[in-house]
Amino acid sequence: GAVVSQHPSRVICKSGTSVKIECRSLDFQATTMFWYRQFPKKSLMLMATSNEGSKATYEQGVEKDKFLINHASLTLSTLTVTSAHPEDSSFYICSARPRGGGSSYEQYFGPGTRLTVT
Amino acid sequence: AQRVTQPEKLLSVFKGAPVELKCNYSYSGSPELFWYVQYSRQRLQLLLRHISRESIKGFTADLNKGETSFHLKKPFAQEEDSAMYYCALGTGGTSYGKLTFGQGTILTVHP
Repeated sequence: GAVVSQHPSRVICKSGTSVKIECRSLDFQATTMFWYRQFPKKSLMLMATSNEGSKATYEQGVEKDKFLINHASLTLSTLTVTSAHPEDSSFYICSARPRGGGSSYEQYFGPGTRLTVT
Repeated sequence: AQRVTQPEKLLSVFKGAPVELKCNYSYSGSPELFWYVQYSRQRLQLLLRHISRESIKGFTADLNKGETSFHLKKPFAQEEDSAMYYCALGTGGTSYGKLTFGQGTILTVHP
């Protein structure tokens, strides 16, 4: 149980275009989903916290107009990278916190999406 | 602001040797500390958390508030322990549920 999927696993897009990444909790409802960015051989950087039915909360330094997050249901959150540029190339990982989870920090991670902007 | 430091990017040991992955944190409040592991081509998963005070796969970690450390230890490393390990800090309050990760340590256990 507690499986989180991401789609696509890899995406290549041209500079200036937008790309959408989906994060789904497959066997549980997630009131909160988190979006992280991972640079090569570096830490996971939290980008934003997404709560179902409300606006996402972005971390300092993350452009909300560039990284659009929508959490339309208890099992789906999407991250749209708008007007992508090569510097947006990265590994994007989502995690989901189960509804009614035992710990406030309980979260399950997706496999990640590799974005390459050419 | 909170911070997690893992001073070693790479750590190599031989099978059967003890291993310790260091983690230090900076936070003025009452922290919750976690260790996550990412095996090759797999997703990040929780290894253990300080509140549980449990041993998972032979690993233990003790929260030392005086030294602000949460080092991960295993007395006898196995080849299957080779992975990326992340220390993470939960700070509660307005950051309820959010985690701050360290830079990660790549552990390689040689046969």
